[in-house]
Amino acid sequence: RKEVEQDPGPFNVPEGATVAFNCTYSNSASQSFFWYRQDCRKEPKLLMSVYSSGNEDGRFTAQLNRASQYISLLIRDSKLSDSATYLCVVSRGGSYIPTFGRGTSLIVHP
Amino acid sequence: NAGVTQTPKFQVLKTGQSMTLQCAQDMNHNSMYWYRQDPGMGLRLIYYSASEGTTDKGEVPNGYNVSRLNKREFSLRLESAAPSQTSVYFCASRQDPETQYFGPGTRLLVL
Repeated sequence: RKEVEQDPGPFNVPEGATVAFNCTYSNSASQSFFWYRQDCRKEPKLLMSVYSSGNEDGRFTAQLNRASQYISLLIRDSKLSDSATYLCVVSRGGSYIPTFGRGTSLIVHP
Repeated sequence: NAGVTQTPKFQVLKTGQSMTLQCAQDMNHNSMYWYRQDPGMGLRLIYYSASEGTTDKGEVPNGYNVSRLNKREFSLRLESAAPSQTSVYFCASRQDPETQYFGPGTRLLVL
């Protein structure tokens, strides 16, 4: 089993739709969790950190489920500009090496 | 602040040629990383440096060497380029346990 797994998609949704991605991780010692966004031919950029209590930033909501070892990202009212690849990142405490999922592709169409 | 910068942005090499990819960060981060990204493969760690003066192998180190020149700079060297090293290379820095910041990438084509 890969350490961090994501459904590669693509998720093809119309503007205004709500879409959710999940990411599962295998190491129960993981302590830090992040969602990154990567546009085509660009570098990954932090979208949001994921806290135990969950967190929201505008149309984006991230949640962590430690018992089932997954994190989720919910995007409400999708915009064309949300089209990108979303990378799940997990890091163990004391480790210098974050582990990246392979990403989930989102395409928002008019 | 510039964040993480990489040079060059693009490079074409012939098989067997050597080159060094440069990376610098101005955020005073301790850790720096080199990744390669290929279609369908995601980001794969080549080497990392947890702090100035230390370097360690990542998932795919063969064919590469690195130098942590100082706290700001972390270079990646290809001694004898091969077509399999055609990829996009990203440098990143991080202040543990916070997030990583990536440079804009170097697109390398080895003929």
